Amino acid sequence: DGGITQSPKYLFRKEGQNVTLSCEQNLNHDAMYWYRQDPGQGLRLIYYSQIVNDFQKGDIAEGYSVSREKKESFPLTVTSAQKNPTAFYLCASSSLTHNEQFFGPGTRLTVL
Amino acid sequence: GQQLNQSPQSMFIQEGEDVSMNCTSSSIFNTWLWYKQDPGEGPVLLIALYKAGELTSNGRLTAQFGITRKDSFLNISASIPSDVGIYFCAGQVHAGNNRKLIWGLGTSLAVNP
Repeated sequence: DGGITQSPKYLFRKEGQNVTLSCEQNLNHDAMYWYRQDPGQGLRLIYYSQIVNDFQKGDIAEGYSVSREKKESFPLTVTSAQKNPTAFYLCASSSLTHNEQFFGPGTRLTVL
Repeated sequence: GQQLNQSPQSMFIQEGEDVSMNCTSSSIFNTWLWYKQDPGEGPVLLIALYKAGELTSNGRLTAQFGITRKDSFLNISASIPSDVGIYFCAGQVHAGNNRKLIWGLGTSLAVNP
């Protein structure tokens, strides 16, 4: 069953703690993306990667970090430097020959 | 970052009615994508458009890539309660290896049974 998985679905953290969100895909896609979605807002790009060991900042990268050590995995770390981390986080992937991005189910992060 | 103008922002319709929403941009796009997002879930791709003037259907959904390459619309015919959700348009301007999508802010659709 091909697809994108994100875990966990819900995540709670105390303020000041770093937290890592998981994203795995078995679609053999080269490109992967992280978006943030706030209530009533569209999708805002945090980071994206088109190849292993390489990634680029999106529109709102401050306070976030990523790694791309494997083609299948693109974890996102929300650091304590992120001023307002509570949000719905979406991971997506795409091939390099087609522009369609396919999304995981999302992780809702709440920082208390 | 750059955003598309998506309208309307929200719609409340009766079951069985047709729905139309659109997106416009100041930039020329090479790709238009339409997604639907259910509450608490990730967006699901509905239709992808790659050519100016292209008209594509997916069941009761029809989308068109505008001739000017700066707009696209999505129509839903004979709406049903499960059409409820937020619909997003997204476009891409090809610039070298740039894979970024530009997103609209969404159209929230409510259907009264």
